[in-house]
Amino acid sequence: GAGVSQSPRYKVAKRGQDVALRCDPISGHVSLFWYQQALGQGPEFLTYFQNEAQLDKSGLPSDRFFAERPEGSVSTLKIQRTQQEDSAVYLCASSPNRGRRQPQHFGDGTRLSIL
Amino acid sequence: DAKTTQPPSMDCAEGRAANLPCNHSTISGNEYVYWYRQIHSQGPQYIIHGLKNNETNEMASLIITEDRKSSTLILPHATLRDTAVYYCIVSRDYGGSQGNLIFGKGTKLSVKP
Repeated sequence: GAGVSQSPRYKVAKRGQDVALRCDPISGHVSLFWYQQALGQGPEFLTYFQNEAQLDKSGLPSDRFFAERPEGSVSTLKIQRTQQEDSAVYLCASSPNRGRRQPQHFGDGTRLSIL
Repeated sequence: DAKTTQPPSMDCAEGRAANLPCNHSTISGNEYVYWYRQIHSQGPQYIIHGLKNNETNEMASLIITEDRKSSTLILPHATLRDTAVYYCIVSRDYGGSQGNLIFGKGTKLSVKP
């Protein structure tokens, strides 16, 4: 079956522009996570959804970052007024159910470059 | 901060076993040890996880010390395709709001011909 799909694969934007990154989780997966990975570092947690509910957004670095999952499947991470420090790979992961020790399945990420 | 300590890099000869160590001296009783790996330009891939007992699957074996303060991931016959960054993570199996993975910098394993 299909894995986690993220689009676009690469995104280049000018500083100050808004961007939207899409994640299609594995069908039927309840939990969805967003992570940010800077060059040479491990991924860092941004936010978590259980179905359509955003239960944890403690990792979002500023109020310029916004995520949604309105129908409990596809999720979008939006970054407003982008800055150079937002350049990173943004990873999406899904799992069948958060509390059941199910491993997270990751997409290959969107590489965002802010000029 | 990550609650694990791993060597930054290791080399392994193709066909040999790769033994990747991880220290997690502050692990608590309800925390599991997870291993993921990340091949260049791809997302992390789940390998294996365990609580107390040693575990084995088609990819690897996980050996956890009796005091649970350290563990070793074993790739029994490393291939060039196993070259990746390997992350050791401790995480609670918790029905509440916790469950996101806390990655450190991992170990960059280079498998050489």
